[in-house]
Amino acid sequence: DTEVTQTPKHLVMGMTNKKSLKCEQHMGHRAMYWYKQKAKKPPELMFVYSYEKLSINESVPSRFSPECPNSSLLNLHLHALQPEDSALYLCASSVTGAMGTEAFFGQGTRLTVV
Amino acid sequence: AQTVTQSQPEMSVQEAETVTLSCTYDTSENNYYLFWYKQPPSRQMILVIRQEAYKQQNATENRFSVNFQKAAKSFSLKISDSQLGDTAMYFCAFMKRASGGSNYKLTFGKGTLLTVNP
Repeated sequence: DTEVTQTPKHLVMGMTNKKSLKCEQHMGHRAMYWYKQKAKKPPELMFVYSYEKLSINESVPSRFSPECPNSSLLNLHLHALQPEDSALYLCASSVTGAMGTEAFFGQGTRLTVV
Repeated sequence: AQTVTQSQPEMSVQEAETVTLSCTYDTSENNYYLFWYKQPPSRQMILVIRQEAYKQQNATENRFSVNFQKAAKSFSLKISDSQLGDTAMYFCAFMKRASGGSNYKLTFGKGTLLTVNP
């Protein structure tokens, strides 16, 4: 199993809603990542978890709240988002967060904030 | 700060021909990794090839090869015998240690949209 599975694939939410994005991998990887990708732009790193601990937060607004309940699962909790937060949210994992390790990406969640 | 520059927003190539995508980067680091990822319309980012800066030999993966020029900070991707399935956005990426931590992070270029025509 070399898959990173993200659910849902599409999500439409209002600015007052609370929703969560889910990411799962069963490759035994101990580093997991959230990226945000706007249309026709490269992915931008948001968070890194290493061994279930938050390792990197790229100054992301608090309306995005990551959670890593176990080594296979990564969540991104969303609350009070703005329309400009509409984007493709990509999850990735790697064996560790060490130099040179390949990151495996999921297919993303297309989020629309209305 | 390091930046990754891809100067070709779009390129096209005929099926079975060869195409080269360019990438330059700026860094003061001596040890780092470079990657090429592709993102087809399915949206999933897929690793194409990687290169360690310490290795002088250019990496090769089947039809994909790189021309790594460390002194010039250049990392181009050559795709031989192009296939329709190669149509995708190609991102050059640079990996280095994140500040204040033990993890490493990828910084992507803006991408080159490659279309392979039949």
